[in-house]
Amino acid sequence: DAKTTQPPSMDCAEGRAANLPCNHSTISGNEYVYWYRQIHSQGPQYIIHGLKNNETNEMASLIITEDRKSSTLILPHATLRDTAVYYCIACDLNAGGTSYGKLTFGQGTILTVHP
Amino acid sequence: SQTIHQWPATLVQPVGSPLSLECTVEGTSNPNLYWYRQAAGRGLQLLFYSVGIGQISSEVPQNLSASRPQDRQFILSSKKLLLSDSGFYLCAWTFGSNSPLHFGNGTRLTVT
Repeated sequence: DAKTTQPPSMDCAEGRAANLPCNHSTISGNEYVYWYRQIHSQGPQYIIHGLKNNETNEMASLIITEDRKSSTLILPHATLRDTAVYYCIACDLNAGGTSYGKLTFGQGTILTVHP
Repeated sequence: SQTIHQWPATLVQPVGSPLSLECTVEGTSNPNLYWYRQAAGRGLQLLFYSVGIGQISSEVPQNLSASRPQDRQFILSSKKLLLSDSGFYLCAWTFGSNSPLHFGNGTRLTVT
């Protein structure tokens, strides 16, 4: 898996957009960028993933730079329930061998949404 | 839509006792299934994965074992728990390829 770097913490006002950055400068061509979040005492929740193109779903948008060395997760209208640890992962889940299906979570970004 | 169920949510077991955690997936067939463990303040550790009934791959030699008796059922077991087995156990599924993993709500195991 490519190493990812995220800020340890971020704050955001409720109703504003939360932009969470992630650096993955050593990402390889077959590795996707996945975003998960984890609220205390719950299992990680899948948010979004992408390879090259920007992606959007009902939860968030994912912006991947053209060189794929970094990405930004955008929560367009943050709510208090979005307070969680957000993990950015760059990996090829289909790599086989010891990498098959293995998600490696780093320290992530603690996002705190304030009223 | 697909859902994943894990139980129990919390469990306190004495050292040396057996363990059985169950995970089932609904709304899909032939999923890839995974058991992860998350120790307090640490990242996820992949324990086992399965691509089909009876097919189990172990990532880490340990005191645990896994079985897949049915297509959508994945069981994590131990014959004798150790203190070091305490942690947050997560079951996950995926369609395979590069489709994302979806996690259950986990079982918090405390071995005393």
